[in-house]
Amino acid sequence: AQTIHQWPVAEIKAVGSPLSLGCTIKGKSSPNLYWYWQATGGTLQQLFYSITVGQVESVVQLNLSASRPKDDQFILSTEKLLLSHSGFYLCAWSLRTGVYEQYFGPGTRLTVL
Amino acid sequence: QEKVQQSPESLIVPEGAMVSLNCSFSDSASQSIWWYQQHPGKGPKALISIFSNGNKKEGRLTVYLNRASLHVSLHIKDSQPSDSAVYLCAVRGSALGRLHFGAGTQLIVIP
Repeated sequence: AQTIHQWPVAEIKAVGSPLSLGCTIKGKSSPNLYWYWQATGGTLQQLFYSITVGQVESVVQLNLSASRPKDDQFILSTEKLLLSHSGFYLCAWSLRTGVYEQYFGPGTRLTVL
Repeated sequence: QEKVQQSPESLIVPEGAMVSLNCSFSDSASQSIWWYQQHPGKGPKALISIFSNGNKKEGRLTVYLNRASLHVSLHIKDSQPSDSAVYLCAVRGSALGRLHFGAGTQLIVIP
């Protein structure tokens, strides 16, 4: 069975500090990977997607970057956090072909103070 | 940019009621439409999807798609308190990997 793990579960950070959020998918080789952001009470917004190691496409510019260093790992980061980065970050995966259902992880709650 | 609008924003129904949720989208070239369920503090979970005009039934869920009017609806039969959650409509765009979400409908089912 496939499992998706996100870390950390929650993070409280200061404005201007760096951030790194991670996601790993086990039990599925070569998945498409996605990062989403959801402001409190807001709409789920796709940030990045990746179809293979080393390749990442940006969907929305929020002063964040993403990388895929391994087939099963997706990293979201920034060198300088803004207050507007607060929210709920979700990683998701889907098959390369076929149904394209996206399976979401448990999420990371980020609070920027 | 695909626009996805959901209505109503929130809904409170008694247990056993039929629930109807609506979603309109802007791009007639959209691929499949998905309905996701999201509980507080959790990631969304896919419930049902539809690609072709018409309807699709899975258990207590029925989804109707009308591509001409760019409208899709989700109906939940015999609603249960455990159905209480936010329901998200997501439209798969023509660009690779793109999924556009609506703001969601908060459903509360009263026992």
